[in-house]
Amino acid sequence: KQEVTQIPAALSVPEGENLVLNCSFTDSAIYNLQWFRQDPGKGLTSLLLIQSSQREQTSGRLNASLDKSSGRSTLYIAASQPGDSATYLCAVPTSGTYKYIFGTGTRLKVLA
Amino acid sequence: EAGVAQSPRYKIIEKRQSVAFWCNPISGHATLYWYQQILGQGPKLLIQFQNNGVVDDSQLPKDRFSAERLKGVDSTLKIQPAKLEDSAVYLCASSFHRAGGSETQYFGPGTRLLVL
Repeated sequence: KQEVTQIPAALSVPEGENLVLNCSFTDSAIYNLQWFRQDPGKGLTSLLLIQSSQREQTSGRLNASLDKSSGRSTLYIAASQPGDSATYLCAVPTSGTYKYIFGTGTRLKVLA
Repeated sequence: EAGVAQSPRYKIIEKRQSVAFWCNPISGHATLYWYQQILGQGPKLLIQFQNNGVVDDSQLPKDRFSAERLKGVDSTLKIQPAKLEDSAVYLCASSFHRAGGSETQYFGPGTRLLVL
């Protein structure tokens, strides 16, 4: 059974810092991994999708890496801004399926 | 391109009452998902449709929850009767083609349900 853990649960940083969010999963037989952003009272927005054959994906100031063998992914945010404040969730499919299991998220607050 | 639409945005009911949520996915998206997100947790998949057929409903409490997507477009999720523990945000998502795969899921704003 796939289990997804995100550390830390909450993070508060001053503006401009580079930061890393962590996601670990128990079953490495996955097709892909997604990182989402969720703003308060809103739905989820997909940030990055990494296929199982890829090691990383980049979009602007965001870089996500995937290490299937160790069951880990990291989301790197460069030069953080107050607008980056949100909850970041990673989602991993259960083995052999496309049914996503979500972590509990990391609540990020970037202070101006 | 219009996003995933959901209504209502908020609903307050008493336990044992019934409630229904509506979702209109992005035009042309074949796959539709309903998730339940309890406060402080990640979303949990309740049911997944491919066109108007159910792909996965293994985590849907079928004694009280039901969902349909009759014409393969919009969908309704119903709870009858509601329990206190059903208080959550109900998220609808859609994707273009096959179930998940290499495609991104697009989420609606959710319906926040409070059961008193």
